[in-house]
Amino acid sequence: AQSVAQPEDQVNVAEGNPLTVKCTYSVSGNPYLFWYVQYPNRGLQFLLKYITGDNLVKGSYGFEAEFNKSQTSFHLKKPSALVSDSALYFCAVRVPGGGADGLTFGKGTHLIIQP
Amino acid sequence: EPEVTQTPSHQVTQMGQEVILRCVPISNHLYFYWYRQILGQKVEFLVSFYNNEISEKSEIFDDQFSVERPDGSNFTLKIRSTKLEDSAMYFCASSRQAYEQYFGPGTRLTVT
Repeated sequence: AQSVAQPEDQVNVAEGNPLTVKCTYSVSGNPYLFWYVQYPNRGLQFLLKYITGDNLVKGSYGFEAEFNKSQTSFHLKKPSALVSDSALYFCAVRVPGGGADGLTFGKGTHLIIQP
Repeated sequence: EPEVTQTPSHQVTQMGQEVILRCVPISNHLYFYWYRQILGQKVEFLVSFYNNEISEKSEIFDDQFSVERPDGSNFTLKIRSTKLEDSAMYFCASSRQAYEQYFGPGTRLTVT
């Protein structure tokens, strides 16, 4: 069975500082990895994905993530945080298979950017 | 930019009643999904649908649940006899390929 761990319930960062939101995964096989963001009373918005290729992937709003196979991690990063980045962030994984497989999500990390 | 839409935004129902949650996926997408998020918990996969049939379902998706694509645009989730523990936010998602999924804003289901 596949699983995702987001070890931090909350991450606090000062505006303008770099941010990292951690994610580790456990799957059998090569994973597809995703980050989503959820603003209050909104659905999940896709940020970025890793499917194959370059370990550093870039996504929306200046976010990027680095796939590290040896550490089974896919941490979300941004060089300079904005107050508007404050939201709930979810890491998700699926293993390529039949094509319509569901995502397995982590429990989410609240990112709070302080002015 | 095309979006997944869901109706209603909030549904209140009594225990034992049937509810139908509706979704309009993005028009050229081929894969459709339902997820739920109980308040304060993680998002959980319920079911995926492709080529007019269920592709995968989780343990949560028991006989009380069903999905349907009644026409070329709608995708519905039916809960036949709602329980208190079905109270959650239900998200529909769609994808064109089996990669990133695009989520709707959700339907908050409250079972009383």
